[in-house]
Amino acid sequence: GENVEQHPSTLSVQEGDSAVIKCTYSDSASNYFPWYKQELGKRPQLIIDIRSNVGEKKDQRIAVTLNKTAKHFSLHITETQPEDSAVYFCAASNSAGSQGNLIFGKGTKLSVKP
Amino acid sequence: DGGITQSPKYLFRKEGQNVTLSCEQNLNHDAMYWYRQDPGQGLRLIYYSQIVNDFQKGDIAEGYSVSREKKESFPLTVTSAQKNPTAFYLCASKKGPSYNEQFFGPGTRLTVL
Repeated sequence: GENVEQHPSTLSVQEGDSAVIKCTYSDSASNYFPWYKQELGKRPQLIIDIRSNVGEKKDQRIAVTLNKTAKHFSLHITETQPEDSAVYFCAASNSAGSQGNLIFGKGTKLSVKP
Repeated sequence: DGGITQSPKYLFRKEGQNVTLSCEQNLNHDAMYWYRQDPGQGLRLIYYSQIVNDFQKGDIAEGYSVSREKKESFPLTVTSAQKNPTAFYLCASKKGPSYNEQFFGPGTRLTVL
């Protein structure tokens, strides 16, 4: 089955710097890759996603890149702000198999210092 | 995501007791999911249901049971057979098999005393 590895587990940056979180997946059939942000004690919220027919997607300060050959995808946050502090989860799924269930990475705790 | 509710927000249970966590959605979604979240472990799938009256085990189903008698409801029972039930439990739903995005409820924090 699918396995998703996420690095780093913790990341601390200064306000205004960029942050990058990386994930690798094992199942070459995976074709959907979402990123969720979870603030302390709250529900995970989808912040951006990418499908396998696209190499990069951007939404304001957030971007995701996908390398299908290497089976890895990354979240890029530019001009970080204190409110970006949260735990970020990547996930992968194969919409044509396993009924589209998401397999999650273990999360990255991002701290943005003012 | 305001269309998915979970109750209660906090739940305390004595060892040996069964407890049921509620998950309701008014989004008319076909699929519903239960995840368990532990520190540093990410989200692990307990059970899922693609359609009413049908459900499948996820990766960590032992000690849990579910039912899906109504489209909008997917309750999770944590039984006394679950050895380490203290965790944060998240319910999610999505529109159907051809859709990707899952929407999460606010979660229930279960503590076994």
